[in-house]
Amino acid sequence: AQSVSQHNHHVILSEAASLELGCNYSYGGTVNLFWYVQYPGQHLQLLLKYFSGDPLVKGIKGFEAEFIKSKFSFNLRKPSVQWSDTAEYFCAVNSDRDDKIIFGKGTRLHILP
Amino acid sequence: EPEVTQTPSHQVTQMGQEVILRCVPISNHLYFYWYRQILGQKVEFLVSFYNNEISEKSEIFDDQFSVERPDGSNFTLKIRSTKLEDSAMYFCASSESGGKSYEQYFGPGTRLTVT
Repeated sequence: AQSVSQHNHHVILSEAASLELGCNYSYGGTVNLFWYVQYPGQHLQLLLKYFSGDPLVKGIKGFEAEFIKSKFSFNLRKPSVQWSDTAEYFCAVNSDRDDKIIFGKGTRLHILP
Repeated sequence: EPEVTQTPSHQVTQMGQEVILRCVPISNHLYFYWYRQILGQKVEFLVSFYNNEISEKSEIFDDQFSVERPDGSNFTLKIRSTKLEDSAMYFCASSESGGKSYEQYFGPGTRLTVT
């Protein structure tokens, strides 16, 4: 069965710090990978996605993620975070065989002004 | 930009009551989904729906749950007899097509509180 692990449950950073949120998945076949963000009081929004091609994916708001197939990882990065990046971040995966998205438990990111 | 909408934003109900959560997917989308997130836990898939029938469902989606597309725009989730453990945020999502290469767009969620 597919699963997604996010290593950090709660991360606190100062503005301008660099960010890397870890994500590993388990599934033996072809996968699509996602990072979703949920700002306080808002709904899930897609930050970026990987379906195929260049394993370095650029998303909105300066975020990027790198798919490393050999490590089953899809870590999210941002070189310089802003206070407005305070949110919960979810890594997610679905396979090419079904429609459901499997989510990780989420990482709550708090940026200090 | 088109978006998925959900009503109500918050529903409070007593244990044993029936609730219907409503969603209006993006108009040209063909696949519809329900997910839920119990407080402090991860978002979990409940069911996917295509061509007026369930295409996939999780173990959570037992006989107490049903989904329906009663008209051309709404997509509903019914819980027949609510339990305390049904308290969660319920998210509807839709996509143009299923599986690979199609993004699922999520609604804002309905917070269900069962007392």
